[in-house]
Amino acid sequence: DAGVTQSPTHLIKTRGQQVTLRCSPKSGHDTVSWYQQALGQGPQFIFQYYEEEERQRGNFPDRFSGHQFPNYSSELNVNALLLGDSALYLCASSRGQGASYEQYFGPGTRLTVT
Amino acid sequence: AQSVTQLDSQVPVFEEAPVELRCNYSSSVSVYLFWYVQYPNQGLQLLLKYLSGSTLVKGINGFEAEFNKSQTSFHLRKPSVHISDTAEYFCAVSMNTGFQKLVFGTGTRLLVSP
Repeated sequence: DAGVTQSPTHLIKTRGQQVTLRCSPKSGHDTVSWYQQALGQGPQFIFQYYEEEERQRGNFPDRFSGHQFPNYSSELNVNALLLGDSALYLCASSRGQGASYEQYFGPGTRLTVT
Repeated sequence: AQSVTQLDSQVPVFEEAPVELRCNYSSSVSVYLFWYVQYPNQGLQLLLKYLSGSTLVKGINGFEAEFNKSQTSFHLRKPSVHISDTAEYFCAVSMNTGFQKLVFGTGTRLLVSP
């Protein structure tokens, strides 16, 4: 049973560019959350998708947007990249959106903005 | 809003010694509590969680944690560590209602030496 997968593994972009990160949830999971983990910090919640809609959002600007597809996979888009967007982006999936459900994390995408 | 404090950024310990990683949280509402482990170049893996009931929670790999509501703490313990326990450990909280949005601490690096 494949766990949460993310692509690409690493990515280098230039300031001002746009980037799309992809996530496939664990089999049987319908809820996807995205987190940003800056170097030396804990992950910070970006947003959560359930039934193809953004259900909850953290304290991130509108440059960060997402999408969830009918097969529950998800994309994270970041526009007008800043140097400060350099981080590990983690995707997590769960079977349901309730607060008690375990979130399973993928290995992450390392984004470097130069 | 919730917040998590992990005062120890790094904890060095010898193999087979006991260890305690400290976690304190702040919240105006009831919360669920989690401990995650992150090995190098990997995503986060759930060690254990407190939802309700017994305040002593046992997790994987011999770890346990105790929820102390009066001290708003959720310290992680292991009676005897192995070299393979070397990793980053994150404490997290989530409101116990609605959607799950994890709020993480800054992490504690556990360094186990022979």
